[in-house]
Amino acid sequence: GEDVEQSLFLSVREGDSSVINCTYTDSSSTYLYWYKQEPGAGLQLLTYIFSNMDMKQDQRLTVLLNKKDKHLSLRIADTQTGDSAIYFCAETTTSGTYKYIFGTGTRLKVLA
Amino acid sequence: DAGVIQSPRHEVTEMGQEVTLRCKPISGHNSLFWYRQTMMRGLELLIYFNNNVPIDDSGMPEDRFSAKMPNASFSTLKIQPSEPRDSAVYFCASRGPNNQPQHFGDGTRLSIL
Repeated sequence: GEDVEQSLFLSVREGDSSVINCTYTDSSSTYLYWYKQEPGAGLQLLTYIFSNMDMKQDQRLTVLLNKKDKHLSLRIADTQTGDSAIYFCAETTTSGTYKYIFGTGTRLKVLA
Repeated sequence: DAGVIQSPRHEVTEMGQEVTLRCKPISGHNSLFWYRQTMMRGLELLIYFNNNVPIDDSGMPEDRFSAKMPNASFSTLKIQPSEPRDSAVYFCASRGPNNQPQHFGDGTRLSIL
């Protein structure tokens, strides 16, 4: 079945780059998303990529997609303490583009 | 622009009571989603509406849960009777047409004692 996997924790120093990884199983993925969740808040859409793209850049954020390996990554340049949060990757597939398959989330901790 | 608005933000009630969660989607969005988030199960899709019509309610846990969308700007999720295992954060999300991304509200943190 469809599955999205992420590592649970990542710790980086302020000013360094963070790379959060995600793997998915469904080769018919259409869109892939990154959401950020801060404590007590909802999921904030950070960026998304269509499956026919390899890369998307938006200010400090770079998304890389390797379709062959079914691997998605989110790179945050110059990581700040305000970037500390849980990051969720999600996919939709052709079987139901309204249905998001979410990963378990990666908790990013930025050390000052 | 106002985002997805949920109320209440927090609800604490005793088991057996009826609970009603409310959601106002972003204006112009035609799809609405209710999710539940727990530590054990992560994010679960409960129900999905398109143009106010329920399309997929396969995630609704049991008959104690019901959801309505009487118009394009309002939806409710009701639990009756509530049980302690219903304690979770409930999120509403909406999206516009043509596969636009979903936008989430800040959630309702529900505690059933």
